[in-house]
Formats: sequence, C-alpha cells, structure tokens
Amino acid sequence: ETGVTQTPRHLVMGMTNKKSLKCEQHLGHNAMYWYKQSAKKPLELMFVYSLEERVENNSVPSRFSPECPNSSHLFLHLHTLQPEDSALYLCASSQEVGSGEGGYTFGSGTRLTVV
Amino acid sequence: AQKITQTQPGMFVQEKEAVTLDCTYDTSDPSYGLFWYKQPSSGEMIFLIYQGSYDQQNATEGRYSLNFQKARKSANLVISASQLGDSAMYFCAMREAWRNQGGKLIFGQGTELSVKP
Repeated sequence: ETGVTQTPRHLVMGMTNKKSLKCEQHLGHNAMYWYKQSAKKPLELMFVYSLEERVENNSVPSRFSPECPNSSHLFLHLHTLQPEDSALYLCASSQEVGSGEGGYTFGSGTRLTVV
Repeated sequence: AQKITQTQPGMFVQEKEAVTLDCTYDTSDPSYGLFWYKQPSSGEMIFLIYQGSYDQQNATEGRYSLNFQKARKSANLVISASQLGDSAMYFCAMREAWRNQGGKLIFGQGTELSVKP
C-alpha cells in the first residue's frame, strides 16, 4: 500500500470533457508534484507545490490546471484535452522541495486516454 | 542537455544471475543525489536505492547495489540473484541542489528488464 493514493486509476475522456485527477498523501510531506509519463519518453515534471503554493510550472498548456487545497491533496483539472495528452500521470510527494537526501514517494498513477 | 542517460532500452537476464543497468549523469553541482526507481506494469514508481554525491561508499539495499563512479559520472544499478518479479522498467534519477534545479528529481529514459526463467 503506497503512501500516495491516486484516483481514478484509469480514465477515458473525450476532447470536450472536463475531468479531474486526485492525489492524496498522509505522509506529512510538504511538497507535491505532478509528472507526465508518455510512452518511450522520460518522466516530465509538470507542476511543483510546496506548502500549497505552486513553485513551478514547467510550460504546461493551460488545459491542465492544478489545485492544491491543502498539503495532503493535489488535483489536476483537465479540459479540452488533445489525443497527445494521453499518458500516465503520476503524483509524488516529498518532505520538502529541494531537501537533501530524500527521494519522492509516488502514487500508482492515472492512465489517461483522450479519444 | 540530457542530464540523465540510460543507454540500454531493454535488457534480458537469466533468473538467479546478476545484472547491471547503466546510468550516466551530467551536473556541475558538487551536491546531488542519485536514485533508482522500479516501475512494474502496474505503474507505481518504487524507490530502490539512493547515493549521495558525498557518500564514500557505494549504497546497498538488499539485492540492490549502486556502483558509483564519481569521476566517470556513472551510477550503475546492480541487481544480484535476479528474480522473475524483477521484470520491470528501471529509472535512474538525479536531484541537484535547490539553487540549480529547485531540488527537482530528473529522470532518465528507463531500461526495461526482463528476467527469464
């Protein structure tokens, strides 16, 4: 049982739909992240949150909108997506952003298919 | 510029044998951390092992060891006594100091390991 829970595990949506991905951690971590993993490509960092404040947005299209209402929850709101947005979306958390030795704890991901 | 390079898209190993997965990295930061993660078909990224740039000894965690060669900027993962359950994608990652990359974890392309019975 991972310390980071993502729902749903699978999502199929049309290009005109609006949906949200949810991530939850109860590890007491202060930083949370969204990564995108497309086939045959390295993981791409999308957003970084530290203590509910967005500290980084890596040139992600506006059709992806993150929300961090508290340090335990992170959402990714999706609207008018494109087929190339189909990917595995991974959420992760860490004790702090930029802290020393600690790695990230990942969720199991949401596999998104845009049709 | 590519920060983390994994040159082996796929590897095969016989069950019970050892296997080495290659990873090279590029950084000018004297302080950094190196990580290996395993990703089975379920999708979850599982942390395996960590090596700090100032660590004098190679990291070990059970059947996993990290062959850290700082001068060559390589951090190869060695899995001893391979098991069928080791079949998965393996990712090497690096975390530089906050002032350079915001402490972000940057991943390589991954190596798909298949263990044969």
